[in-house]
Amino acid sequence: AQSVSQHNHHVILSEAASLELGCNYSYGGTVNLFWYVQYPGQHLQLLLKYFSGDPLVKGIKGFEAEFIKSKFSFNLRKPSVQWSDTAEYFCAPKAAGNKLTFGGGTRVLVKP
Amino acid sequence: IAGITQAPTSQILAAGRRMTLRCTQDMRHNAMYWYRQDLGLGLRLIHYSNTAGTTGKGEVPDGYSVSRANTDDFPLTLASAVPSQTSVYFCASSEGTPGNEQFFGPGTRLTVL
Repeated sequence: AQSVSQHNHHVILSEAASLELGCNYSYGGTVNLFWYVQYPGQHLQLLLKYFSGDPLVKGIKGFEAEFIKSKFSFNLRKPSVQWSDTAEYFCAPKAAGNKLTFGGGTRVLVKP
Repeated sequence: IAGITQAPTSQILAAGRRMTLRCTQDMRHNAMYWYRQDLGLGLRLIHYSNTAGTTGKGEVPDGYSVSRANTDDFPLTLASAVPSQTSVYFCASSEGTPGNEQFFGPGTRLTVL
């Protein structure tokens, strides 16, 4: 069965700092990869996704993620965070023929 | 366009009671899903439906049932609620197969006492 691991449960940083959230998955075959974001009191929204092609994917609000197949990783990055990036972030890989599997989430708090 | 609506927004329920959480989408998506979100566990799939008239079990189906009589509606029923079913429940939908982006509803916060 596929599994996904998000390395950090909580991250606290100041505005303008850089952010990187780790995500590793277990499935070795073809996989689609998603990052979702949940702002306080809101529902999940898609941040970015990777299906094929360029392994560096750019999403909304200045976020990007890099798919490294050899490391089974899909880390999320943002060079300079804002207070409005305070949210919970979920990595969600999907192996062929399977459903999405969500990671446990990383809560990010950006201090103004 | 509302996207996905869920009702109720929140509910406090006595253990042993029956409860149906409602989910309606207006995007004509074929696939719909129910997740529960618990702290530190992310979202776990309860049940899904790839198309109207079909349903399937997800990762944590026990104690829950679903039906998909038409494209738009996908209710989730707790036949006899237990405290471990206290959670936030999200309904989602997607075009075609689960490989496509899923759109989420606003969630239902359920407390079982």
